[in-house]
Amino acid sequence: EAQVTQNPRYLITVTGKKLTVTCSQNMNHEYMSWYRQDPGLGLRQIYYSMNVEVTDKGDVPEGYKVSRKEKRNFPLILESPSPNQTSLYFCASSLVPPGVAGTDTQYFGPGTRLTVL
Amino acid sequence: GDSVTQMEGPVTLSEEAFLTINCTYTATGYPSLFWYVQYPGEGLQLLLKATKADDKGSNKGFEATYRKETTSFHLEKGSVQVSDSAVYFCALSSSRNQFYFGTGTSLTVIP
Repeated sequence: EAQVTQNPRYLITVTGKKLTVTCSQNMNHEYMSWYRQDPGLGLRQIYYSMNVEVTDKGDVPEGYKVSRKEKRNFPLILESPSPNQTSLYFCASSLVPPGVAGTDTQYFGPGTRLTVL
Repeated sequence: GDSVTQMEGPVTLSEEAFLTINCTYTATGYPSLFWYVQYPGEGLQLLLKATKADDKGSNKGFEATYRKETTSFHLEKGSVQVSDSAVYFCALSSSRNQFYFGTGTSLTVIP
């Protein structure tokens, strides 16, 4: 089954304790992306990756890191989490980058709800 | 910069009522436009999309037309069902390979 998986689904942590949220897709997609969803703000893009070893900042990258060592995986790293990073996080992937050739449907993971105390 | 402005919610309708959710955008170049739907406790799913001006996207009875002259992509459905209750997001893909979402509109359909 074609899917995007995220782990963990729920996480409660404390300020300053490094954490990683994993994201994996099995569709051989080139483009992967991380978003955070906050009430009244919709989804905002944190980082995206056009392909292996190619990553770039989205609208709200501060406090986050990513890596793309393999095509299928795109982990989100919070080196020193703070309470303002409490949010619902979504990973997404698409065959090609958004807007390219009209075949840029993004497939979303189920979300990770992160609470930083 | 690029952005999407979406009608504020929440919206509550009776079953079989007509639905319109307004969406306008600001973008350089020629973005693709999307509507995504989020059911409770789930991730987003693509509902429909349009990739150029005057295109009409449609799916499951929902429609939206890409209007370049008014920079709009309003979502419509002629007769909503209880199962349409969800949060709807308008979105665009920018020429810089980024994706922008609106703030979402919560729809509740009552029997």
